[in-house]
Amino acid sequence: NAGVTQTPKFRILKIGQSMTLQCAQDMNHNYMYWYRQDPGMGLKLIYYSVGAGITDKGEVPNGYNVSRSTTEDFPLRLELAAPSQTSVYFCASSPPQGGGADTQYFGPGTRLTVL
Amino acid sequence: GDSVTQMEGPVTLSEEAFLTINCTYTATGYPSLFWYVQYPGEGLQLLLKATKADDKGSNKGFEATYRKETTSFHLEKGSVQVSDSAVYFCALSPSYNTDKLIFGTGTRLQVFP
Repeated sequence: NAGVTQTPKFRILKIGQSMTLQCAQDMNHNYMYWYRQDPGMGLKLIYYSVGAGITDKGEVPNGYNVSRSTTEDFPLRLELAAPSQTSVYFCASSPPQGGGADTQYFGPGTRLTVL
Repeated sequence: GDSVTQMEGPVTLSEEAFLTINCTYTATGYPSLFWYVQYPGEGLQLLLKATKADDKGSNKGFEATYRKETTSFHLEKGSVQVSDSAVYFCALSPSYNTDKLIFGTGTRLQVFP
């Protein structure tokens, strides 16, 4: 049971490049989340999903896209990278039954730098 | 809107020292309050929580009490260890959306032998 895994751990992009941050969980959780943490700031919700085929915007969705074709995977896509997207990205998941904020399990994060 | 404010780090302590990391919040209604910890190279883990006023959350020697009158949820530990070195995040879950988490900025704790 690996929990929540994220790849890559680190990445440097040039302005305008695209990339996909991968997130997978093996706990059969329905809910999945993407957060970003800017230097000196708290985590902010980018997108979330309550199940396969269902996604919704969080607090800071601009510049990102997500898809949820399976229960296990929740990739985050950056189409045209900008320096403002330099951040640490965390993926999380939680079960729906009796779910709540305290049941979120986090991945180790992806550190992205856009130059 | 709802928000969490926590003390800036890093907090540097010697082993066996007393730890306090301050956290205050702004929220409507009665949020749930949490402390998460992130050890080097790992994801955030729930450390403790409290869901109503005067509740005390505790785990691994850490404690925090939900103080409605001062809107605070300070984290304390009586005797820290080197293995407690990590980043600590205070967070709240609003009463109007219990699946949502609002985080503070995190406080890095460094404990030296």
